[in-house]
Amino acid sequence: GQQVMQIPQYQHVQEGEDFTTYCNSSTTLSNIQWYKQRPGGHPVFLIQLVKSGEVKKQKRLTFQFGEAKKNSSLHITATQTTDVGTYFCGNAGGTSYGKLTFGQGTILTVHP
Amino acid sequence: DAGVIQSPRHEVTEMGQEVTLRCKPISGHDYLFWYRQTMMRGLELLIYFNNNVPIDDSGMPEDRFSAKMPNASFSTLKIQPSEPRDSAVYFCASSFRAGWPNSPLHFGNGTRLTVT
Repeated sequence: GQQVMQIPQYQHVQEGEDFTTYCNSSTTLSNIQWYKQRPGGHPVFLIQLVKSGEVKKQKRLTFQFGEAKKNSSLHITATQTTDVGTYFCGNAGGTSYGKLTFGQGTILTVHP
Repeated sequence: DAGVIQSPRHEVTEMGQEVTLRCKPISGHDYLFWYRQTMMRGLELLIYFNNNVPIDDSGMPEDRFSAKMPNASFSTLKIQPSEPRDSAVYFCASSFRAGWPNSPLHFGNGTRLTVT
């Protein structure tokens, strides 16, 4: 998979505020997968984006894939304490399926 | 479904000792991955298998690390000899290729390794 860079590394928000993390690549990505890891836990799959400009929603979470397929974002509306954790984006190898490599992740803390 | 099962959950060992981490993937999954997670380096892919065959081991740090998958339901990651810098959480994950592109990785709970 191609190298993906994720920003920011850390984000502290008050409960109720919005949160966004970005995943960027210098090359065109075949797809993006997003995972969430709770403190002390393991990564859990959230969603996959494949199409240019794709937007998917899961309740308060909105995922976007850029038109050029070089970037992606995860936006959380009105954060809750249950949103705490690390959010990772990952890129799998497209037709050469298998090699899923991850960005560094964004650690989200939510203050009640 | 029991999910991906890893053992042990925690391992504390002394430098120079051999360490073996174990993984049982989800039944029917044909891909198995070993990742290492540290604060400094994040989630690193070490090696992955397809149908028990190693496909890419370019992430394996050095010769001290080796991984095997003798059958579809079992894999090991061995470190010999272990060093303090190997301290990390090691995750095993599995997936089902035929479900692509909607087949995610399923991670085990990880093994937290501490080498003193």
